[in-house]
Amino acid sequence: DTAVSQTPKYLVTQMGNDKSIKCEQNLGHDTMYWYKQDSKKFLKIMFSYNNKELIINETVPNRFSPKSPDKAHLNLHINSLELGDSAVYFCASSAGLAGGQETQYFGPGTRLLVL
Amino acid sequence: SQKIEQNSEALNIQEGKTATLTCNYTNYSPAYLQWYRQDPGRGPVFLLLIRENEKEKRKERLKVTFDTTLKQSLFHITASQPADSATYLCALDRGFQKLVFGTGTRLLVSP
Repeated sequence: DTAVSQTPKYLVTQMGNDKSIKCEQNLGHDTMYWYKQDSKKFLKIMFSYNNKELIINETVPNRFSPKSPDKAHLNLHINSLELGDSAVYFCASSAGLAGGQETQYFGPGTRLLVL
Repeated sequence: SQKIEQNSEALNIQEGKTATLTCNYTNYSPAYLQWYRQDPGRGPVFLLLIRENEKEKRKERLKVTFDTTLKQSLFHITASQPADSATYLCALDRGFQKLVFGTGTRLLVSP
């Protein structure tokens, strides 16, 4: 029973295309996150949502748009993909909104390669 | 600017020994610090959380210390096993519901 799941696991696409990554959690958590892990393994937060409301929006290009249809789902849509978008994207969730004192549960990651 | 530093080089140790990983930070005053384990091709998995008023936290073979004066956390794995081989990430509470991760240290435990 997967707690945080993401689809697809791998995504290979051409520059300029638009793609979406989906995330679902079955933990009953209120908060969900998107992180980007680059080739140097640096894990950086992009967005967080609490009960469908955007809480954190880091300095991320406008081409990235998160959408939370309900508190169990957080999707990431990327327009006009660029080479620099190649990375592993992780979805995570936590029970509440208390930030550093919350344990975060991560999905398996989506490996995006832009050619 | 705020910085979190972990040893970028891999740490190689022999099975049975104690592994000690370091997390140093500057320009932060985090109230909480967490450690995660990441295996290749997988997402990070939570291990331990320590609060600023706690000097030490233990869980089975794991021990974490948090020195707010030195701005350092040490992560120890005693009686290490090859199955402990992974990348270990420290993460600091940056306020505003944000957790900021270090780049991780790769641990290799050989039989």
